[in-house]
Amino acid sequence: GAVVSQHPSWVICKSGTSVKIECRSLDFQATTMFWYRQFPKQSLMLMATSNEGSKATYEQGVEKDKFLINHASLTLSTLTVTSAHPEDSSFYICSANGVLRNIQYFGAGTRLSVL
Amino acid sequence: DAKTTQPTSMDCAEGRAANLPCNHSTISGNEYVYWYRQIHSQGPQYIIHGLKNNETNEMASLIITEDRKSSTLILPHATLRDTAVYYCIVLAGNNRKLIWGLGTSLAVNP
Repeated sequence: GAVVSQHPSWVICKSGTSVKIECRSLDFQATTMFWYRQFPKQSLMLMATSNEGSKATYEQGVEKDKFLINHASLTLSTLTVTSAHPEDSSFYICSANGVLRNIQYFGAGTRLSVL
Repeated sequence: DAKTTQPTSMDCAEGRAANLPCNHSTISGNEYVYWYRQIHSQGPQYIIHGLKNNETNEMASLIITEDRKSSTLILPHATLRDTAVYYCIVLAGNNRKLIWGLGTSLAVNP
């Protein structure tokens, strides 16, 4: 149980285009989902917290207009990187919190390369 | 949330127990100790968590000192697949925001 699916696992795009990443909780309802970014040899950095049906809460320094988060249902959250640039190239990871226990279950991550 | 201190790296022989320490001397009474790990190029994986009692599950055991200022994650029979970065995180029960340090890079050697 507690499986989180993240898609795509790898994406290459041209500078200026937008990329959407999906995060789904497959066997549980996730009231809260999180989006992280990880640069090589660094730890995970929380970008934003999203609760179903409400606006996401972004961490300081994360541009909400550039990283659009939608959490329309209890099993799906999406992150859209708008007008991507090479500096947005990174490993993006989502996680979902179950209702009953304060445990985050993580997706496999999406490696984004912007050319 | 309380800050944690972990060794940067550790080595362990395959089949032996891996004991990963974590110091959290400023932990508060309502804060839990969580352990996650991240295998290279994958999303993190939850391992175990506890408040003050020792805990065991199919993956590992968590030993928390009586004063709760430190803990040890034990992988009883480490395998090559346990090579990963292990993160010790302290989190209050009503807080869902994980703050990630640099963790301990565990290398399990054949």
